[in-house]
Formats: sequence, C-alpha cells, structure tokens
Amino acid sequence: DSGVTQTPKHLITATGQRVTLRCSPRSGDLSVYWYQQSLDQGLQFLIQYYNGEERAKGNILERFSAQQFPDLHSELNLSSLELGDSALYFCASSVGGGGNEKLFFGSGTQLSVL
Amino acid sequence: EDQVTQSPEALRLQEGESSSLNCSYTVSGLRGLFWYRQDPGKGPEFLFTLYSAGEEKEKERLKATLTKKESFLHITAPKPEDSATYLCAVQERFQGAQKLVFGQGTRLTINP
Repeated sequence: DSGVTQTPKHLITATGQRVTLRCSPRSGDLSVYWYQQSLDQGLQFLIQYYNGEERAKGNILERFSAQQFPDLHSELNLSSLELGDSALYFCASSVGGGGNEKLFFGSGTQLSVL
Repeated sequence: EDQVTQSPEALRLQEGESSSLNCSYTVSGLRGLFWYRQDPGKGPEFLFTLYSAGEEKEKERLKATLTKKESFLHITAPKPEDSATYLCAVQERFQGAQKLVFGQGTRLTINP
C-alpha cells in the first residue's frame, strides 16, 4: 500500500459528460501529480501541484482542470468527455516538489467513456 | 523532449532463468533515471533511482545499472512473483519542477 488513495476505482460515463477524480496524498507529502496511462501513449504527465499551487503543467487538455485543496487532497476534473479520454488516471505524491524524489502512486481510476 | 525506449516489449522466462531489461534514453542533462514496477490493476511502485554513469543499485533479485546512454535492469534467478511490467523513466527539466518521462515498459512473465 503506497499510502496514496484514489477514488473512485472505476468510472463509466458517456461522451459529453463531466467527472471528478479524487486523490489523497501520503501523509506529509506536499506534492500531487496526475498522470494518464493509455495503451498507445503509456504514462503521460498531466499536472503537478505543490502545497496548493500549480507547479508544472504537462500534456493536459484544456477540457481538463485540477486543483489542490488546503488539506492537500487533489481533484482532477474532466469535462466534455470524448471516447479517447478513456484511460487509467493515476495520482502520485512526493514530499517536495522539484528535486529527484521518488513518487508514490495510487491504484488509479479506470475511466471508460462510452 | 526527452525520449525513453524500453526493450524488449515483452519477455517470458522460466523460473531461475536470469536476463536483463534495457532502457535507452536521450536527455539533455540527466537529473535522475528511475525504475518502477507495475502490477496489473495497480499503480507503479518505486524500485530505484540512478543519478550518474557507473552507478549500480540492488534490491533482492534486481540490480539496476546506468551508462551515459542506457540503463539495464538485471534479474537474477527470477521467481514467478517477479512477473510485472517494469517501467523506466527519466527526470526532465520542466518549468522548475519534476516531470518524469516514462518508457512504454517491459512486460515480464516468469513461468514456474
């Protein structure tokens, strides 16, 4: 158990809908990262938050947004969903935000857009 | 952007049959190379970080090595429980923060 909690584990929705994925980092970790994993693209970095502030933005679509709350949990919002958004979405956390730190990953949310 | 290529895509071994997984990378200034293990339906689990050419790290039946262009994950006398997908990633300078660029992974199967 990595200590990172993601909910829900599975999500099935329709095109055009909006969903929210939730992540609670390990106790004491200030950084939260979101990654998308699909069969053809592998693990792709989406966005990082550090202590409530956006730190880095990767391949995140404009239809997607995220935030980190004062209690350090994070939410990833996906809107106007398309079939191609179906993937595993992972949250990871680390103690700091900019160094060579190992990331601890949650078990992921499997999103299926029908 | 940094590139990470892993080979082979899949590897099937008999229990006790040692082998190596390859991770080649192109990066402008390596800040760290990471190995993760991923089991089906789970998130990646950290194994090693390597920082400079010549560095080696070991954990049980696994040993990771690093050169200027590639890293190897050596598996000695593997057991069925070593079956997993092994992911390699390099840390990229990105907006003053940490961004890991992952390879596609090697799916390892150890038959009893």
